Amino acid sequence: GAGVSQSPSNKVTEKGKDVELRCDPISGHTALYWYRQSLGQGLEFLIYFQGNSAPDKSGLPSDRFSAERTGGSVSTLTIQRTQQEDSAVYLCASSPRRSYNSPLHFGNGTRLTVT
Amino acid sequence: QQQVKQSPQSLIVQKGGISIINCAYENTAFDYFPWYQQFPGKGPALLIAIRPDVSEKKEGRFTISFNKSAKQFSLHIMDSQPGDSATYFCAAHAGNMLTFGGGTRLMVKP
Repeated sequence: GAGVSQSPSNKVTEKGKDVELRCDPISGHTALYWYRQSLGQGLEFLIYFQGNSAPDKSGLPSDRFSAERTGGSVSTLTIQRTQQEDSAVYLCASSPRRSYNSPLHFGNGTRLTVT
Repeated sequence: QQQVKQSPQSLIVQKGGISIINCAYENTAFDYFPWYQQFPGKGPALLIAIRPDVSEKKEGRFTISFNKSAKQFSLHIMDSQPGDSATYFCAAHAGNMLTFGGGTRLMVKP
């Protein structure tokens, strides 16, 4: 079946512009996560959704970052007034249920470059 | 604060050798410890996982060793192959979140 789909795969934007990153999770997966991976670094947690609600927004690095999820499916991560330090690969993952051993299924990410 | 420390950052192993990656944690609330494998241009994918009440789990050439008292766990890749060349991440689960280590870039030379 189809995996997690992210778009665009690459995005180059000028400093100060807003960007929207999209994630289509696997159908039926109720949990959705956003992570950020900087060059050569680990995965930094950004936000978690259970259904449409986001009980944990603790990882969002600043108020320029926001995310929403509609219909328990598609999620959008928005970065306002982008800065060069926002350059990274943004990964989305979904999981079929809210359980400790439920594996995360990652998309291939959106590579964001802020010039 | 990095809650899961992973080492080494990079590793070069000859084909047929054993690759060993180590992780350490401090948060005793962690209740599940998966390892993810990531190839260039792809998202990470679950490789193998262990619960803290088990000391070892083996799946094919991949083995997790877990030391609860030391709060350490490691991934062993036996008979390493060039196709194993990838970045490996350990992770630890608590609440609704996975916390990842910094990653290890493994290169297996033919």
